[in-house]
Amino acid sequence: NAGVTQTPKFRVLKTGQSMTLLCAQDMNHEYMYWYRQDPGMGLRLIHYSVGEGTTAKGEVPDGYNVSRLKKQNFLLGLESAAPSQTSVYFCASSYSTSGVNTGELFFGEGSRLTVL
Amino acid sequence: EDKVVQSPLSLVVHEGDTVTLNCSYEVTNFRSLLWYKQEKKAPTFLFMLTSSGIEKKSGRLSSILDKKELFSILNITATQTGDSAVYLCAVEADGASYGKLTFGQGTILTVHP
Repeated sequence: NAGVTQTPKFRVLKTGQSMTLLCAQDMNHEYMYWYRQDPGMGLRLIHYSVGEGTTAKGEVPDGYNVSRLKKQNFLLGLESAAPSQTSVYFCASSYSTSGVNTGELFFGEGSRLTVL
Repeated sequence: EDKVVQSPLSLVVHEGDTVTLNCSYEVTNFRSLLWYKQEKKAPTFLFMLTSSGIEKKSGRLSSILDKKELFSILNITATQTGDSAVYLCAVEADGASYGKLTFGQGTILTVHP
């Protein structure tokens, strides 16, 4: 039972470099999310998707782009990395059937990104 | 802007103690409040509280929601070392997409043997 898988788990970048974080879920969930977690600030939503082919901005979207070409995958891109993007990134998924929501997000194990 | 504040930020107890974690919130059009436990890596879901379900219990953990005073508490009785974790509180606004959560800073709980 893989659940939500994130790759890579660790990455070090130089300022200005680009990279993509990949999130894959095997639970057939409609909704997927990217959060970042910084010390003392909890988790903050970057972007999210309510279905294949759709994306929307969260609380802190600047400097990031996302794509959801397939239902099971949600990609987070950094076009030009900045030190302020040093963080732990969590992908999550959830489902909603006929408007019923259990509230449970299933999180991946996180990707630690350092931008020098 | 929705806001969640947790207290205390950290707590150190001994096995067998009872702890109470606090979460106060401000949200436009409240839908639900959620508690998660984060050990080393991924947060895991504990409870969801809504207007129709203001009290939840699972084993030694219980939680209540006070919609009038805008807070929730998470209670852990007879704590064990395995309860050591960061406990996250989050709120969800009505009208927002499901899973679009605003999180608090978290409470770091350390349980010593």
